[in-house]
Amino acid sequence: GDSVTQTEGQVTVSESKSLIINCTYSTTSIAYPNLFWYVRYPGEGLQLLLKVITAGQKGSSRGFEATYNKETTSFHLQKASVQESDSAVYYCALVHTGNYKYVFGAGTRLKVIA
Amino acid sequence: AQTIHQWPVAEIKAVGSPLSLGCTIKGKSSPNLYWYWQATGGTLQQLFYSITVGQVESVVQLNLSASRPKDDQFILSTEKLLLSHSGFYLCAWRTGGGNQDTQYFGPGTRLLVL
Repeated sequence: GDSVTQTEGQVTVSESKSLIINCTYSTTSIAYPNLFWYVRYPGEGLQLLLKVITAGQKGSSRGFEATYNKETTSFHLQKASVQESDSAVYYCALVHTGNYKYVFGAGTRLKVIA
Repeated sequence: AQTIHQWPVAEIKAVGSPLSLGCTIKGKSSPNLYWYWQATGGTLQQLFYSITVGQVESVVQLNLSASRPKDDQFILSTEKLLLSHSGFYLCAWRTGGGNQDTQYFGPGTRLLVL
């Protein structure tokens, strides 16, 4: 089956510093999956942050970016300069094209301190 | 605009009692619908998905069942709750696949089984 691994349960970063949240995936399919980052801000519902459906491409949104690396099966989330408003829980997820079964990582809680 | 509602917002129930959680999507015809569950500190797990009225597919067996009695309604239920059913339940609808692939999540229902 498929799995998504986020190694850090919580990350604390000072404001204006750079961020990387790790995500790796594993799949038994010969096809490359579609990859997503979802985010839950405090008091809000889970929402899509960015997605990439083609291996080798980069997705970006709200200053965040993630590159789909099929060689390392990774989809790390990066931001050059975080703000306190970025504090949230971030989830990496995958689904195969034409499939209905999503797999989510355990989530990484980002805390940005002033 | 599409809206997604879940009810109740929260429940405290006794072990062995029945449960019914609801989800309604307005402004979207024939949506693909999903139920997710997240134990406290756990991963978001997909439970069920439904492509059309009356048709529900199970992804994870947790002694729960789901039904889709109307195009815009998705119900999660069980006749006998277990302690392990505690957690956060999310309903979602999904747009088309490929570049359009996005899930829109409801606000969730928090369930505590005692």
